[in-house]
Amino acid sequence: SQELEQSPQSLIVQEGKNLTINCTSSKTLYGLYWYKQKYGEGLIFLMMLQKGGEEKSHEKITAKLDEKKQQSSLHITASQPSHAGIYLCGAALITQGGSEKLVFGKGMKLTVNP
Amino acid sequence: KAGVTQTPRYLIKTRGQQVTLSCSPISGHRSVSWYQQTPGQGLQFLFEYFSETQRNKGNFPGRFSGRQFSNSRSEMNVSTLELGDSALYLCASSFTSGRYNEQFFGPGTRLTVL
Repeated sequence: SQELEQSPQSLIVQEGKNLTINCTSSKTLYGLYWYKQKYGEGLIFLMMLQKGGEEKSHEKITAKLDEKKQQSSLHITASQPSHAGIYLCGAALITQGGSEKLVFGKGMKLTVNP
Repeated sequence: KAGVTQTPRYLIKTRGQQVTLSCSPISGHRSVSWYQQTPGQGLQFLFEYFSETQRNKGNFPGRFSGRQFSNSRSEMNVSTLELGDSALYLCASSFTSGRYNEQFFGPGTRLTVL
């Protein structure tokens, strides 16, 4: 079965600092999703990557998928308190029936101090 | 457009009881997936329904079941509750089933089993 490992498990940064979160897969990724979760709430979609070498950006967040499609990184530039939360990566698994289910990493808890 | 709604938001039950959780997807979405989130295991896939049919099932015991109605609303049922069932239960809807369909998550139902 596919497993996703996220690192670091938690991070505390000062407002304005840059940071990077990593997500490593035990198998080749067909699709990789990044979500953000405020504690005890639902997940907010950030980005989805499919192709090796792909890079996407939204506001101050950039996500990349490596060429081998086994590792993804999420980079936040000039962090703000609004970036605080739990960041989860999810791998798309295609089932025999052709549908898709997501397997998630354990998450990375980000705290941004003003 | 209204987002995914889940009811109730909080629930307290005792061991041995059963519980039913409800999820209303975004209008027009036909696929609903359910996930269980615990501090120890993280976010784990329960099952997916599409057009009233279960398309996918995770590795959970038969005590966990679900169904989907013709209006795409979905319910999840857990019978004979155990302490370990305490978790945040999230549902996610997508327009269709299959690959690379962005899943929109609801706020979750926090279930506590005493």
